[in-house]
Amino acid sequence: GAVVSQHPSWVICKSGTSVKIECRSLDFQATTMFWYRQFPKQSLMLMATSNEGSKATYEQGVEKDKFLINHASLTLSTLTVTSAHPEDSSFYICSASDVNSYNSPLHFGNGTRLTVT
Amino acid sequence: QQQVKQSPQSLIVQKGGISIINCAYENTAFDYFPWYQQFPGKGPALLIAIRPDVSEKKEGRFTISFNKSAKQFSLHIMDSQPGDSATYFCAASGSARQLTFGSGTQLTVLP
Repeated sequence: GAVVSQHPSWVICKSGTSVKIECRSLDFQATTMFWYRQFPKQSLMLMATSNEGSKATYEQGVEKDKFLINHASLTLSTLTVTSAHPEDSSFYICSASDVNSYNSPLHFGNGTRLTVT
Repeated sequence: QQQVKQSPQSLIVQKGGISIINCAYENTAFDYFPWYQQFPGKGPALLIAIRPDVSEKKEGRFTISFNKSAKQFSLHIMDSQPGDSATYFCAASGSARQLTFGSGTQLTVLP
């Protein structure tokens, strides 16, 4: 079945550095990928919608200059957390759906645990 | 408003019992209602989903009941097992495929 791969699964970085998270659709093409953030014991909050070949659409309150999204191909989207701070520590999860099937479900990656020290 | 309200926040069920989680939505443009299961440290995994043209969908031990007029839908887990212990999220989306999640239900199934 459809699989979404996310890498790395966890990362620890120092405050002020940048971290890149990759999201790949392994056996289908995804025109659109979504990035979510989840704090402990909370729900998933949509951060941005990543569209292949165009600029991402950010949700209200999400800083586009801090969370850089690139969707250069139909199988890869990246999220870069720039100048990370401890408050950016969270679980980041991407999702994607098959561009060829409107009725296809949205599949999620296994998430990336970011810890900023 | 694009809210999805989920209850209860936590649920404890005996093995073999029925777990029931409820959700309500406000946006009538939503046309896709999935349920996800999430284990600690993992991404959500799709369990079952329904569209508003049917009132019920069953897959194995999992059933979604959908009430379009009340704008409510629920997940029933029959014969609940300890391995079902996880956090469950309902969600809803429209044509843009952006999921709005409920707040989650932490299910514990006692052996």
